[in-house]
Amino acid sequence: DAKTTQPPSMDCAEGRAANLPCNHSTISGNEYVYWYRQIHSQGPQYIIHGLKNNETNEMASLIITEDRKSSTLILPHATLRDTAVYYCIVRVGGATNKLIFGTGTLLAVQP
Amino acid sequence: NAGVTQTPKFQVLKTGQSMTLQCAQDMNHEYMSWYRQDPGMGLRLIHYSVGAGITDQGEVPNGYNVSRSTTEDFPLRLLSAAPSQTSVYFCASSLGLQSETQYFGPGTRLLVL
Repeated sequence: DAKTTQPPSMDCAEGRAANLPCNHSTISGNEYVYWYRQIHSQGPQYIIHGLKNNETNEMASLIITEDRKSSTLILPHATLRDTAVYYCIVRVGGATNKLIFGTGTLLAVQP
Repeated sequence: NAGVTQTPKFQVLKTGQSMTLQCAQDMNHEYMSWYRQDPGMGLRLIHYSVGAGITDQGEVPNGYNVSRSTTEDFPLRLLSAAPSQTSVYFCASSLGLQSETQYFGPGTRLLVL
């Protein structure tokens, strides 16, 4: 299973873009990159996922490098409510839909 | 839709006691799973189910049992609670095996003394 590496913590000023990096150098060709976040003590929340093309939705953008060994989650205009732990997950293949969580990045949005 | 619901929100047990953590979803999702989260750590998969009548083990299944008699419910049973099972337990569901999004419940906080 491909593993991911994320910085343990990051700060971002409110209203600015938050760029959260993730390394997944052993990712397989058919594995997707998923991002979830967990606001304090709540259940994780899905944000976005992608295979090799950049993706954007109402919450965030996902930029995946051409060699797929790393990706960046972008929150375009961070708010205080975006303070959370962000998990980058490479989805395990097969008929199980399992998610393997690491320790994630604690993003602290500062006023 | 209520989404994924979990009961109880908090529970204190003594070592050796048994209990069942309840999880229900009203979205007609086929896939359901249980995770535990210890302080400062990510979530670890305990058991999962790909449909009614089908369950399988995740990363950390020891000490836990599950069953899936209906699509809606996926209870997690602790047979003989141990302090090492003190954790926050999250239930999740998704539409199908290849579904992009898993929906998580609010969690059950369990303390075993």
